[in-house]
Amino acid sequence: QSALTQPASVSGSPGQSITISCTGTSSDVGLYNYVSWYQQHPGKAPRVMIYDVIDRPSGVSHRFSGSRSGNTASLTISGLQSEDEADYYCSSYTTSSTVVFGGGTKLTVL
Amino acid sequence: QLQLQESGPGLVKPSETLSLTCTVSGGSISSSMYHWGWIRQPPGKGLEWIGTIYFTGNTYYNPSLKSRLTISVDTSKNQLSLKLTSVTAADTALYYCARVPSDFDPNWFDSWGQGTLVTVS
Repeated sequence: QSALTQPASVSGSPGQSITISCTGTSSDVGLYNYVSWYQQHPGKAPRVMIYDVIDRPSGVSHRFSGSRSGNTASLTISGLQSEDEADYYCSSYTTSSTVVFGGGTKLTVL
Repeated sequence: QLQLQESGPGLVKPSETLSLTCTVSGGSISSSMYHWGWIRQPPGKGLEWIGTIYFTGNTYYNPSLKSRLTISVDTSKNQLSLKLTSVTAADTALYYCARVPSDFDPNWFDSWGQGTLVTVS
């Protein structure tokens, strides 16, 4: 199975909004409402920020939102803060009953 | 509060078997509400799904690892285990165990262990 495609890096200034894309296929991202986004700070375990494309777990800031158009899912972070600087990974369920992750995106807060 | 703790040898020789355990505390691994998975991360690289074991005992594996992989649960010890045979340097990674809280979405890992680093050399 091929990894989902994410940009290697994105950046933004405090207070701005950024969007990270995650492109898959009609066999994963485009087919199921099962796309998740994870935030990972250096040396820490990943933390789920979005699941089921658009849902936020309790405790996750409303500044984080998810969406999807066709085979591409997106994570938008509004009101960027310094603590948002981290690596972000998307993942999706697939028709093979497997899970596939994206390659990861490094977010830099300028 | 749920806690997951991975454990196992930090160093494994090439061609040998990697065996890891994930001890679950603060909750029952046999609960019908949850499933359990393994994810790994090579040093400096991204996340890779290894496999998931459902409450029913059904297992689903990454196709690239399937021929070498076994994931199981020991309910008496409240532990999840992973066995990967014939390891190579490419299996060097930080290995995480995680919980899947949904019967419908197998892709949602809501609680993670701290990870255990395994080096194949």
